[in-house]
Amino acid sequence: QVQLQESGPGLVKPSQTLSLTCTVSGGSISSGSYYWSWIRQPAGKGLEWIGRIYTSGSTNYNPSLKSRVTISVDTSKNQFSLKLSSVTAADTAVYYCARVVAAAGRVSFDYWGQGTLVTVSS
Amino acid sequence: DIQMTQSPSSLSASVGDRVTITCRASQGISNSLAWYQQKPGKAPKLLLYAASRLESGVPSRFSGSGSGTDYTLTISSLQPEDFATYYCQQYYSTLWTFGQGTKVEIK
Repeated sequence: QVQLQESGPGLVKPSQTLSLTCTVSGGSISSGSYYWSWIRQPAGKGLEWIGRIYTSGSTNYNPSLKSRVTISVDTSKNQFSLKLSSVTAADTAVYYCARVVAAAGRVSFDYWGQGTLVTVSS
Repeated sequence: DIQMTQSPSSLSASVGDRVTITCRASQGISNSLAWYQQKPGKAPKLLLYAASRLESGVPSRFSGSGSGTDYTLTISSLQPEDFATYYCQQYYSTLWTFGQGTKVEIK
């Protein structure tokens, strides 16, 4: 059973960089046709896709965040990471990591982490 | 960006009711649509993909249909554990987008 677990600071100061790591267990991050993705959800609001990475290292980002986002993968640690720079209070949200199965006709988030709340405040 | 608009934003229903949620894309997405269920404080759970394909382990009372720009999620007989918020998500374009969610509440 694949499991994902987010980790990182729960409090980040404005203008600083938010850094989160997702550790994947129960399977290799390098195997299969999968993307690895980050999604966030402000309190009481909907889901916003942040970006994704393939194990080759290729990335795609939400244009609304693209200038501030970097997603990377460390296959030796079975982890992938999110960095979001120049954060403001608007970046306060629960951040989820997720696996994306990418097969013929199917691209969907099939495994999710439990989510981690990141608050941007001084 | 492809905008996804769900309706209604919320609904009240009783156990046993048939419930339908609609998701409209701003352009055709060729059945490249998934549905998720989210309960408070929990991560979303995948219900369907490719508009109508049921994810393994999901009860058969959930079904999906549609084509082009308009898609529906139907719960044939609402169960107590189905009270939650439902999201559609398109993966037709490189930029994946979610609908704003539909909250299903107890009547």
